[in-house]
Amino acid sequence: DVKVTQSSRYLVKRTGEKVFLECVQDMDHENMFWYRQDPGLGLRLIYFSYDVKMKEKGDIPEGYSVSREKKERFSLILESASTNQTSMYLCASSTRARWRGGFTDTQYFGPGTRLTVL
Amino acid sequence: AQSVTQLGSHVSVSEGALVLLRCNYSSSVPPYLFWYVQYPNQGLQLLLKYTSAATLVKGINGFEAEFKKSETSFHLTKPSAHMSDAAEYFCAVSEGTNAGKSTFGDGTTLTVKP
Repeated sequence: DVKVTQSSRYLVKRTGEKVFLECVQDMDHENMFWYRQDPGLGLRLIYFSYDVKMKEKGDIPEGYSVSREKKERFSLILESASTNQTSMYLCASSTRARWRGGFTDTQYFGPGTRLTVL
Repeated sequence: AQSVTQLGSHVSVSEGALVLLRCNYSSSVPPYLFWYVQYPNQGLQLLLKYTSAATLVKGINGFEAEFKKSETSFHLTKPSAHMSDAAEYFCAVSEGTNAGKSTFGDGTTLTVKP
């Protein structure tokens, strides 16, 4: 079974702190994703990576950065946490299944990190 | 550009009743379509996916979905709800871009009454 783990289930930080959220997958997946989930807003893509050291902005990258130094690990960084970044953060990974000239496949999710910024 | 609309943010059914969760998509190419389920305090997991083979797709836990191109819909159904089906359900669409991204709907919370 694919396993995606996230470093913390719950995290409480103070405004202005630098926050690291870690995600590790054990299935050699090329793609990794970071989402935030807020009530009524569904999942919104923050950043994704399709290879080591490669990253692309998603729909809401402001205030976030990412790092992917190894294939299995994808980190989300909040440079200076703010209260509006209080949310559930979900990491996911997928293969790059080739389909009609592009790539797509099932995403496998971690359990999430509920971050509270005070 | 791809997008998904889930009609109804909350659906409530009685145990044993039909479950119908609605999803409409927009895509400039024939899409890949997914339904994911999220149980309380957990991440999302795949229920089923459509990949342009059979239009009626069967998934886990007795769920199925039918792809209707003319209606741009991919509604999720289950003939008889069980208490354990109470969860949040997400529809997602992918156009198979180089990035392999999916776009998710806002989710539908299913409540099952005894």
